Amino acid sequence: AVQLVESGGGLVQPKESLKISCAASGFTFSNAAMYWVRQAPGKGLEWVARIRTKPNNYATYYADSVKGRFTISRDDSKSMVYLQMDNLKTEDTAMYYCTAETTHWGQGVMVTVSS
Amino acid sequence: IQLTQSPSLLSASVGDRVTLSCKGSQNINNYLAWYQQKLGEAPKLLIYKTNSLQTGIPSRFSGSGSGTDYTLTISSLHSEDLATYYCYQYNNGWTFGGGTKLELK
Repeated sequence: AVQLVESGGGLVQPKESLKISCAASGFTFSNAAMYWVRQAPGKGLEWVARIRTKPNNYATYYADSVKGRFTISRDDSKSMVYLQMDNLKTEDTAMYYCTAETTHWGQGVMVTVSS
Repeated sequence: IQLTQSPSLLSASVGDRVTLSCKGSQNINNYLAWYQQKLGEAPKLLIYKTNSLQTGIPSRFSGSGSGTDYTLTISSLHSEDLATYYCYQYNNGWTFGGGTKLELK
């Protein structure tokens, strides 16, 4: 069965950095575009970032709200996808979901940015 | 592309036929999906490419639409269908609608 498990969340102060991870299993990871989607407390879903596959040169895409601050990456040898978040803002506080092709989703990891 | 879902809150009874709407600010070219999210859970894909039912999803769920206007229909509401539903376009960038919360009347 497909499984996506996020980790690395926590409480950080504004302007700090945090890297969250997602471990994938149960499918051919190297063939799947991977995404991060977030959900602020009590709010709707927001697409954050996308990374394509090796044949597509690992092209990356970002929401305007995080462009220049967040970096998505992947390690196909480990079936892992990452989100490096720099210069965090209070409005980045959310549950962050890892998703494969937006079809299969992890349970999410909470990131709280507060002083 | 921005997506507007209506209504934002829908009250219905078990057995009702329920219709949820999603309108795009531009042509979505049928690259429209629907997700169900129950409280405290991750979203679940129900429908992709406007009307394709994801594996394992009950046939009471169906999708339709074209251009800028799309619909999710639940033919006969079950109590376990109470959730928030999001539409999602992947034609030009990637955008979620604001959601429709479905509650029991």
